[in-house]
Amino acid sequence: EVQLVESGGGLVQPGRSLKLSCVASGFTFSNYGMNWIRQAPGKGLEWVAYISSGSSYIYYAETVKGRFTISRDNAKNTLYLQMTSLRSEDTALYYCARRGGQLDYWGQGVMVTVSS
Amino acid sequence: DVLMTQTPVSLPVSLGGQVSISCRSSQSLVHSDGNTYLHWYLQKPGQSPQLLIYRVSNRFSGVPDRFSGSGSGTDFTLKISRVEPEDLGVYYCLQSTHFPWTFGGGTKLELK
Repeated sequence: EVQLVESGGGLVQPGRSLKLSCVASGFTFSNYGMNWIRQAPGKGLEWVAYISSGSSYIYYAETVKGRFTISRDNAKNTLYLQMTSLRSEDTALYYCARRGGQLDYWGQGVMVTVSS
Repeated sequence: DVLMTQTPVSLPVSLGGQVSISCRSSQSLVHSDGNTYLHWYLQKPGQSPQLLIYRVSNRFSGVPDRFSGSGSGTDFTLKISRVEPEDLGVYYCLQSTHFPWTFGGGTKLELK
Protein backbone atom coordinates (compact mmCIF):
# COMPACT_ATOMS: atom_id res chain seq x y z
CA GLU A 1 0.00 0.00 0.00
CA VAL A 2 1.37 3.39 -1.01
CA GLN A 3 1.77 5.68 1.98
CA LEU A 4 3.04 9.25 2.18
CA VAL A 5 3.42 10.82 5.61
CA GLU A 6 4.27 14.50 5.94
CA SER A 7 5.75 16.13 9.03
CA GLY A 8 7.57 19.26 10.15
CA GLY A 9 4.76 21.78 10.06
CA GLY A 10 3.80 24.26 12.74
CA LEU A 11 3.51 27.91 13.68
CA VAL A 12 6.37 30.10 12.47
CA GLN A 13 6.97 33.85 12.42
CA PRO A 14 7.16 35.77 9.15
CA GLY A 15 10.65 35.76 7.70
CA ARG A 16 11.65 32.54 9.43
CA SER A 17 12.33 29.10 7.98
CA LEU A 18 10.79 25.65 8.22
CA LYS A 19 11.60 22.27 6.68
CA LEU A 20 8.91 19.77 5.77
CA SER A 21 9.50 16.05 5.29
CA CYS A 22 7.48 13.38 3.52
CA VAL A 23 8.33 9.74 4.21
CA ALA A 24 7.24 7.31 1.51
CA SER A 25 6.52 3.60 1.79
CA GLY A 26 4.81 0.87 -0.21
CA PHE A 27 6.58 1.60 -3.50
CA THR A 28 10.06 2.10 -4.93
CA PHE A 29 10.56 5.75 -4.04
CA SER A 30 13.60 6.21 -6.26
CA ASN A 31 11.54 5.41 -9.37
CA TYR A 32 9.08 8.28 -9.04
CA GLY A 33 9.02 12.01 -9.38
CA MET A 34 7.51 13.75 -6.36
CA ASN A 35 5.64 16.97 -5.69
CA TRP A 36 4.55 19.43 -3.05
CA ILE A 37 1.09 20.98 -3.33
CA ARG A 38 -0.52 23.36 -0.87
CA GLN A 39 -4.01 24.47 0.06
CA ALA A 40 -4.64 27.70 1.97
CA PRO A 41 -7.50 27.49 4.48
CA GLY A 42 -10.81 27.34 2.64
CA LYS A 43 -9.12 27.73 -0.75
CA GLY A 44 -8.22 25.60 -3.74
CA LEU A 45 -5.11 23.63 -4.61
CA GLU A 46 -1.79 25.18 -5.66
CA TRP A 47 1.07 23.14 -7.08
CA VAL A 48 4.31 24.22 -5.39
CA ALA A 49 7.25 22.16 -6.64
CA TYR A 50 8.33 19.03 -8.51
CA ILE A 51 11.49 16.94 -8.35
CA SER A 52 12.31 14.09 -10.72
CA SER A 53 13.25 10.64 -9.50
CA GLY A 54 16.97 11.29 -9.65
CA SER A 55 16.76 14.99 -8.73
CA SER A 56 17.90 16.05 -12.20
CA TYR A 57 14.80 18.10 -12.91
CA ILE A 58 13.32 20.55 -10.43
CA TYR A 59 10.55 23.07 -11.02
CA TYR A 60 8.83 25.63 -8.78
CA ALA A 61 5.77 27.81 -8.78
CA GLU A 62 6.68 31.47 -9.20
CA THR A 63 5.16 32.25 -5.81
CA VAL A 64 7.87 30.22 -4.04
CA LYS A 65 10.82 30.34 -6.44
CA GLY A 66 13.95 31.56 -4.70
CA ARG A 67 12.49 30.93 -1.22
CA PHE A 68 11.61 27.21 -1.24
CA THR A 69 13.89 24.29 -2.08
CA ILE A 70 12.63 20.82 -2.89
CA SER A 71 15.00 17.89 -2.40
CA ARG A 72 14.95 14.17 -1.77
CA ASP A 73 17.00 11.39 -0.20
CA ASN A 74 16.26 8.18 -2.07
CA ALA A 75 18.21 6.13 0.48
CA LYS A 76 15.82 7.35 3.18
CA ASN A 77 12.68 7.32 1.01
CA THR A 78 12.12 10.92 2.02
CA LEU A 79 11.08 14.08 0.21
CA TYR A 80 11.82 17.52 1.67
CA LEU A 81 10.69 21.10 1.29
CA GLN A 82 12.96 23.73 2.80
CA MET A 83 10.98 26.93 3.19
CA THR A 84 12.73 30.24 3.92
CA SER A 85 11.60 33.87 4.14
CA LEU A 86 8.12 32.66 5.01
CA ARG A 87 5.18 34.99 4.48
CA SER A 88 1.64 35.03 5.80
CA GLU A 89 0.43 33.95 2.35
CA ASP A 90 2.42 30.71 2.72
CA THR A 91 -0.03 29.62 5.43
CA ALA A 92 -1.52 26.40 4.09
CA LEU A 93 -1.89 22.65 4.37
CA TYR A 94 1.08 21.19 2.50
CA TYR A 95 0.66 17.84 0.73
CA CYS A 96 3.29 15.67 -0.85
CA ALA A 97 2.12 13.68 -3.87
CA ARG A 98 3.67 10.97 -5.96
CA ARG A 99 4.41 10.93 -9.66
CA GLY A 100 5.17 13.70 -12.04
CA GLY A 101 2.05 15.26 -13.45
CA GLN A 102 -0.42 12.59 -12.55
CA LEU A 103 -0.19 13.07 -8.75
CA ASP A 104 -1.63 9.63 -8.14
CA TYR A 105 -1.19 9.32 -4.38
CA TRP A 106 -1.28 12.08 -1.78
CA GLY A 107 -0.30 12.30 1.85
CA GLN A 108 -2.65 13.54 4.55
CA GLY A 109 -0.97 16.94 4.62
CA VAL A 110 0.87 19.01 7.22
CA MET A 111 -0.23 22.47 8.36
CA VAL A 112 2.09 25.46 8.16
CA THR A 113 0.95 28.68 9.81
CA VAL A 114 2.97 31.84 9.31
CA SER A 115 2.02 34.45 11.87
CA SER A 116 3.59 36.74 14.42
CA ASP B 1 0.84 30.46 -16.73
CA VAL B 2 -2.00 28.30 -18.05
CA LEU B 3 -5.30 29.44 -16.59
CA MET B 4 -7.71 26.61 -15.83
CA THR B 5 -11.35 27.69 -15.66
CA GLN B 6 -13.79 25.28 -14.09
CA THR B 7 -17.55 25.62 -14.31
CA PRO B 8 -19.83 25.60 -12.50
CA VAL B 9 -18.44 26.59 -9.13
CA SER B 10 -21.32 24.88 -7.34
CA LEU B 11 -23.35 21.97 -8.66
CA PRO B 12 -26.46 20.77 -6.82
CA VAL B 13 -27.38 17.19 -7.64
CA SER B 14 -29.92 14.58 -6.68
CA LEU B 15 -28.67 11.13 -5.75
CA GLY B 16 -28.87 8.90 -8.79
CA GLY B 17 -28.62 11.84 -11.14
CA GLN B 18 -26.01 12.74 -13.75
CA VAL B 19 -23.77 15.81 -13.84
CA SER B 20 -21.02 17.33 -15.96
CA ILE B 21 -18.16 19.58 -14.94
CA SER B 22 -16.29 21.67 -17.47
CA CYS B 23 -12.62 22.60 -17.40
CA ARG B 24 -11.18 24.98 -19.99
CA SER B 25 -7.55 25.94 -20.39
CA SER B 26 -6.13 29.20 -21.68
CA GLN B 27 -3.88 27.30 -24.09
CA SER B 28 -3.71 23.86 -25.64
CA LEU B 29 -2.78 21.06 -23.27
CA VAL B 30 -1.31 18.84 -25.98
CA HIS B 31 2.27 18.14 -24.97
CA SER B 32 5.12 17.92 -27.48
CA ASP B 33 5.14 14.16 -26.80
CA GLY B 34 1.57 13.95 -28.13
CA ASN B 35 -0.09 13.31 -24.79
CA THR B 36 -2.59 15.61 -23.10
CA TYR B 37 -1.89 15.95 -19.39
CA LEU B 38 -5.27 16.86 -17.99
CA HIS B 39 -6.37 15.10 -14.82
CA TRP B 40 -9.37 15.16 -12.46
CA TYR B 41 -9.40 14.92 -8.67
CA LEU B 42 -12.04 14.68 -5.96
CA GLN B 43 -11.45 16.14 -2.51
CA LYS B 44 -13.99 14.80 -0.05
CA PRO B 45 -14.63 16.84 3.09
CA GLY B 46 -11.68 16.65 5.48
CA GLN B 47 -9.67 14.42 3.14
CA SER B 48 -6.74 14.71 0.75
CA PRO B 49 -7.50 14.94 -2.96
CA GLN B 50 -7.76 11.63 -4.79
CA LEU B 51 -7.04 10.98 -8.44
CA LEU B 52 -10.08 10.00 -10.50
CA ILE B 53 -9.12 10.45 -14.15
CA TYR B 54 -5.66 10.89 -15.68
CA ARG B 55 -4.71 12.06 -19.14
CA VAL B 56 -8.23 13.14 -20.06
CA SER B 57 -10.07 9.84 -20.05
CA ASN B 58 -8.25 7.12 -18.11
CA ARG B 59 -9.87 6.01 -14.88
CA PHE B 60 -7.43 5.52 -12.02
CA SER B 61 -7.30 2.21 -10.16
CA GLY B 62 -10.50 1.53 -8.24
CA VAL B 63 -12.48 4.42 -9.71
CA PRO B 64 -16.00 3.30 -10.69
CA ASP B 65 -17.07 3.48 -14.31
CA ARG B 66 -19.71 6.05 -13.30
CA PHE B 67 -16.88 8.55 -13.77
CA SER B 68 -15.78 9.42 -17.29
CA GLY B 69 -13.56 12.08 -18.79
CA SER B 70 -13.46 13.48 -22.27
CA GLY B 71 -12.19 16.43 -24.28
CA SER B 72 -9.24 17.66 -26.24
CA GLY B 73 -7.09 20.72 -26.78
CA THR B 74 -8.48 23.30 -24.38
CA ASP B 75 -11.92 21.94 -23.52
CA PHE B 76 -12.49 19.06 -21.12
CA THR B 77 -15.41 17.47 -19.30
CA LEU B 78 -15.88 15.17 -16.33
CA LYS B 79 -19.18 13.30 -16.25
CA ILE B 80 -20.59 11.51 -13.23
CA SER B 81 -23.57 9.27 -13.71
CA ARG B 82 -25.77 7.71 -11.00
CA VAL B 83 -24.36 10.05 -8.35
CA GLU B 84 -23.84 8.39 -4.96
CA PRO B 85 -23.33 10.01 -1.53
CA GLU B 86 -19.57 9.28 -1.60
CA ASP B 87 -19.23 11.38 -4.77
CA LEU B 88 -19.94 14.61 -2.89
CA GLY B 89 -17.07 17.02 -2.44
CA VAL B 90 -14.94 19.38 -4.50
CA TYR B 91 -13.69 18.38 -7.94
CA TYR B 92 -10.51 19.87 -9.40
CA CYS B 93 -8.91 19.63 -12.81
CA LEU B 94 -5.12 19.83 -13.14
CA GLN B 95 -2.97 20.49 -16.17
CA SER B 96 0.59 19.14 -16.09
CA THR B 97 1.51 19.81 -19.70
CA HIS B 98 3.09 23.20 -19.04
CA PHE B 99 5.10 24.33 -16.02
CA PRO B 100 3.93 25.69 -13.67
CA TRP B 101 1.25 23.06 -13.33
CA THR B 102 -2.09 24.66 -12.54
CA PHE B 103 -5.36 23.57 -10.99
CA GLY B 104 -8.85 24.72 -11.78
CA GLY B 105 -10.66 26.63 -9.07
CA GLY B 106 -12.83 23.69 -8.09
CA THR B 107 -16.46 22.61 -8.44
CA LYS B 108 -18.40 21.73 -5.31
CA LEU B 109 -20.81 18.87 -5.86
CA GLU B 110 -23.54 19.00 -3.23
CA LEU B 111 -26.99 17.61 -2.65
CA LYS B 112 -29.92 19.49 -4.09
